[in-house]
Amino acid sequence: KNEVEQSPQNLTAQEGEFITINCSYSVGISALHWLQQHPGGGIVSLFMLSSGKKKHGRLIATINIQEKHSSLHITASHPRDSAVYICAVYLGNEKLTFGTGTRLTIIP
Amino acid sequence: EPEVTQTPSHQVTQMGQEVILRCVPISNHLYFYWYRQILGQKVEFLVSFYNNEISEKSEIFDDQFSVERPDGSNFTLKIRSTKLEDSAMYFCASSAFDEQFFGPGTRLTVL
Repeated sequence: KNEVEQSPQNLTAQEGEFITINCSYSVGISALHWLQQHPGGGIVSLFMLSSGKKKHGRLIATINIQEKHSSLHITASHPRDSAVYICAVYLGNEKLTFGTGTRLTIIP
Repeated sequence: EPEVTQTPSHQVTQMGQEVILRCVPISNHLYFYWYRQILGQKVEFLVSFYNNEISEKSEIFDDQFSVERPDGSNFTLKIRSTKLEDSAMYFCASSAFDEQFFGPGTRLTVL
């Protein structure tokens, strides 16, 4: 059983579209990371949140602790947003447990 | 902006050889981690390190693996006798308290 589920697995959209990526987890967590992984492989932390909503530029992350669900939104998507977006959670300890990622492709 | 660095970016080795992957965490961070990602799979936790000792390790982190903080800046992962299945991207991360920051990764290829 996967502790962290992401949907969709793959997403292709036109430039300018509003993007939503979802993450659900099966047990209580202390916090959640949204990460971005580019084709070269490096991982960049986008957000860490434990409640509510955070915004950074065109990126917005929300979390609903009761429903065990988080979403990552990208407004006015651009081809440079093409990457794999990964949800990772702290299951009450130090280590992160990762989802399988959502591969996003933005077509010009 | 401070960042986590890793060397080398790519390491090719023969099966059975020892490899050491190096990481320089962000300077005021106290918690250090190694993760790995086999090609096409999700990222997996290997080990966490705090106060000069392992605080948690996964079942992947068997006796072939060890970690060390040999000085005030480096954090290393050693694989004693590499296997083909150790081929993966290895990521180091560090944190001051909660948010983890990742290095660019070392791609390890075992032939």
